[in-house]
Amino acid sequence: DSGVTQTPKHLITATGQRVTLRCSPRSGDLSVYWYQQSLDQGLQFLIQYYNGEERAKGNILERFSAQQFPDLHSELNLSSLELGDSALYFCASSVGQGEGVTEAFFGQGTRLTVV
Amino acid sequence: GIQVEQSPPDLILQEGANSTLRCNFSDSVNNLQWFHQNPWGQLINLFYIPSGTKQNGRLSATTVATERYSLLYISSSQTTDSGVYFCAVGDEGGKLIFGQGTELSVKP
Repeated sequence: DSGVTQTPKHLITATGQRVTLRCSPRSGDLSVYWYQQSLDQGLQFLIQYYNGEERAKGNILERFSAQQFPDLHSELNLSSLELGDSALYFCASSVGQGEGVTEAFFGQGTRLTVV
Repeated sequence: GIQVEQSPPDLILQEGANSTLRCNFSDSVNNLQWFHQNPWGQLINLFYIPSGTKQNGRLSATTVATERYSLLYISSSQTTDSGVYFCAVGDEGGKLIFGQGTELSVKP
């Protein structure tokens, strides 16, 4: 058990819908990262939050958004879903950021299927 | 941005064999991690190894940061070692850039 909790584990939804994925980081970790794993793109970084503030953005679509709350849990919101959004979404956490970054630990992932 | 290349892309071994997986990266990095993705999709941390050598049971890893590569050694492989092995390097902000992975299949 990595200590990073993601819910739900599986999600099946229809095109055009909106879903929210939730992540609780390891105790003491201030950085939360979201990644998408798809068959054609591999594991891609989406977005990073550090202590409630957005710190880095990767290949995240405008239809997707995220936030980190005061208790440090994070949510990834995916809207106007398309078939191509079907993927495994991972959350990871680490203690710091920048030069203080340490080992990142990953949650079990949320497998999203858009039908 | 930083590029990460892993080789080989696929590997088939008989149980008990040894193997070496390689990870090349294109720039200096703050962090390097090896992961094993099991058949259920979980990413399991193997090593956090920005430089130097570490060992954990039948697995060991070496990173030569000055030459921009890392090696993962698996000895006496078991069927439970099957899955995809990822190398990921961290940039100055902390995000990880993943290689495409090496898919390992260990046959009994």
